[in-house]
Amino acid sequence: SAVISQKPSRDICQRGTSLTIQCQVDSQVTMMFWYRQQPGQSLTLIATANQGSEATYESGFVIDKFPISRPNLTFSTLTVSNMSPEDSSIYLCSVGPSSINIQYFGAGTRLSVL
Amino acid sequence: SQQGEEDPQALSIQEGENATMNCSYKTSINNLQWYRQNSGRGLVHLILIRSNEREKHSGRLRVTLDTSKKSSSLLITASRAADTASYFCATEYTGANSKLTFGKGITLSVRP
Repeated sequence: SAVISQKPSRDICQRGTSLTIQCQVDSQVTMMFWYRQQPGQSLTLIATANQGSEATYESGFVIDKFPISRPNLTFSTLTVSNMSPEDSSIYLCSVGPSSINIQYFGAGTRLSVL
Repeated sequence: SQQGEEDPQALSIQEGENATMNCSYKTSINNLQWYRQNSGRGLVHLILIRSNEREKHSGRLRVTLDTSKKSSSLLITASRAADTASYFCATEYTGANSKLTFGKGITLSVRP
């Protein structure tokens, strides 16, 4: 298994500002994923972050709004830029070991935008 | 959308009873997984069943897969109050390159 530390656990932000969420893993992993979970809803994949290459974004998500960094095999950040109240969600990172496609999740970042 | 559908959306049972949750999906899969989420926290992986498997067990969990009907069920036997959570099925569609597609989730409440 993998242990994921995600920070911050929650934040309240003003519209128009940006927030960077950090995801640290206790072992080297190839694939890291960022999800959004709107209140009472399922998880929607934002992007897949692979070390050494650009993140791959899903339909409806763009790099300007959700820039992602993946500087090494144990760390990634997701920035939510120019926030609006519609960005209020839980943001989750997960990792997928290459040997088997089970994902391990961080505890999530609960974001409220005023 | 390729998102799976779970039913029921919400389930309330008495401690000690069994809970059965169902999931349907739309196209061919490599595997199907079930996850649990407590109170808006991160998800915890419960069990994975591959497309060539029909049934798997893990402790009090039993999952079945019917690829002809594109459906799966998760059975939790002898439920406990601590099983109260949201449960999601997730599918790795063929050709999805390790990406998972999550269903809408089922809210399970187990009354003491």
